[in-house]
Amino acid sequence: DVKVTQSSRYLVKRTGEKVFLECVQDMDHENMFWYRQDPGLGLRLIYFSYDVKMKEKGDIPEGYSVSREKKERFSLILESASTNQTSMYLCATISPRSGRYNEQFFGPGTRLTVL
Amino acid sequence: DQQVKQNSPSLSVQEGRISILNCDYTNSMFDYFLWYKKYPAEGPTFLISISSIKDKNEDGRFTVFLNKSAKHLSLHIVPSQPGDSAVYFCAASAVGSWGKFQFGAGTQVVVTP
Repeated sequence: DVKVTQSSRYLVKRTGEKVFLECVQDMDHENMFWYRQDPGLGLRLIYFSYDVKMKEKGDIPEGYSVSREKKERFSLILESASTNQTSMYLCATISPRSGRYNEQFFGPGTRLTVL
Repeated sequence: DQQVKQNSPSLSVQEGRISILNCDYTNSMFDYFLWYKKYPAEGPTFLISISSIKDKNEDGRFTVFLNKSAKHLSLHIVPSQPGDSAVYFCAASAVGSWGKFQFGAGTQVVVTP
């Protein structure tokens, strides 16, 4: 079974703080994704990575950056947290080698509150 | 502009009856569709999928129907059970961008006794 873990389940930070969210997967998947989930908006893609040190912007990258130094680890960074970044953050992985028709596997999520 | 739309934010259904969740999409390049189920404070879990070469896929109590001409898919849950109470997300992947999905806004399903 694919296991995707996220560093924290709940996090409370103050406005202006730098925030790191970490995601680790144990299945050697190439592609990793960061989403945020907000009521009425569904899952929106922030950034994704298809290889070590490779990254691409998703639909809502503003205010975020990412780092992928190792294949199994994908970090989301909020450079200066703001209250509108209060959300549920979800990490996901997928392996293109498993075929064209394949699902993403998600971590448990991090509920971030910015005060 | 959302390419995948779930226009019903919520659905209430009695235990034992059928739940029907709908999803519409606008991108004609989408050729693979999935449904995910999400409980509060957990990550989404994969439920069922369908590729564009099919119009129906069934897995136990769950059936997904795809109408390509209408750009519409639906998820049927029969019979509905209390454990089915969750948020359901529709997702779609386009040719050439597989691995990357567009998600709908979700439908909250509540199954009542």
